[in-house]
Amino acid sequence: SQTIHQWPATLVQPVGSPLSLECTVEGTSNPNLYWYRQAAGRGLQLLFYSVGIGQISSEVPQNLSASRPQDRQFILSSKKLLLSDSGFYLCAWSYGGGGQPQHFGDGTRLSIL
Amino acid sequence: DQQVKQNSPSLSVQEGRISILNCDYTNSMFDYFLWYKKYPAEGPTFLISISSIKDKNEDGRFTVFLNKSAKHLSLHIVPSQPGDSAVYFCAATYGGSQGNLIFGKGTKLSVKP
Repeated sequence: SQTIHQWPATLVQPVGSPLSLECTVEGTSNPNLYWYRQAAGRGLQLLFYSVGIGQISSEVPQNLSASRPQDRQFILSSKKLLLSDSGFYLCAWSYGGGGQPQHFGDGTRLSIL
Repeated sequence: DQQVKQNSPSLSVQEGRISILNCDYTNSMFDYFLWYKKYPAEGPTFLISISSIKDKNEDGRFTVFLNKSAKHLSLHIVPSQPGDSAVYFCAATYGGSQGNLIFGKGTKLSVKP
């Protein structure tokens, strides 16, 4: 069966510090991968998606970047965190596009001080 | 501009009764709709979906209804159980996308024993 792992579960970082969140998927190959953010009181907003190694699409302009160095690894990064980067970050995978459901990890709660 | 709207932030239902969660959308290109359930500090879990070629899809206690002319869908849970208490997200996507989901803000369901 397929599993998705995200870490860390919680993270407290000072403003201006760098960020690296990692997500890995097991039990499938060539998945679509996604990064979402849920800000307080809001729905999930898609940040990045990837359909293959090295392929990244950005949905919203922001202070963050994403990379996919391996087939089942997706990394979310920032060189300098802003207060507005606080939120709940979720990684997800799916078999493909269209109507395929996405399956989410348990998320990382990021607090910027 | 919100393309997927869940206008009720919360809903309280008695155990054994029906829970009805509503969702409206504005983009006529959406042709696939999904419902997710989320517990605190966990990622969303896929529940049920429906294609725009159907008006109903049923899976156990969960049924999703789609009214394309009204751009409205609803999730029915019968009978409701205390373990159903969670936040429910409606999401939409369209063919040709890479599965990018547009989420509503969620409805918090409380099922009271």
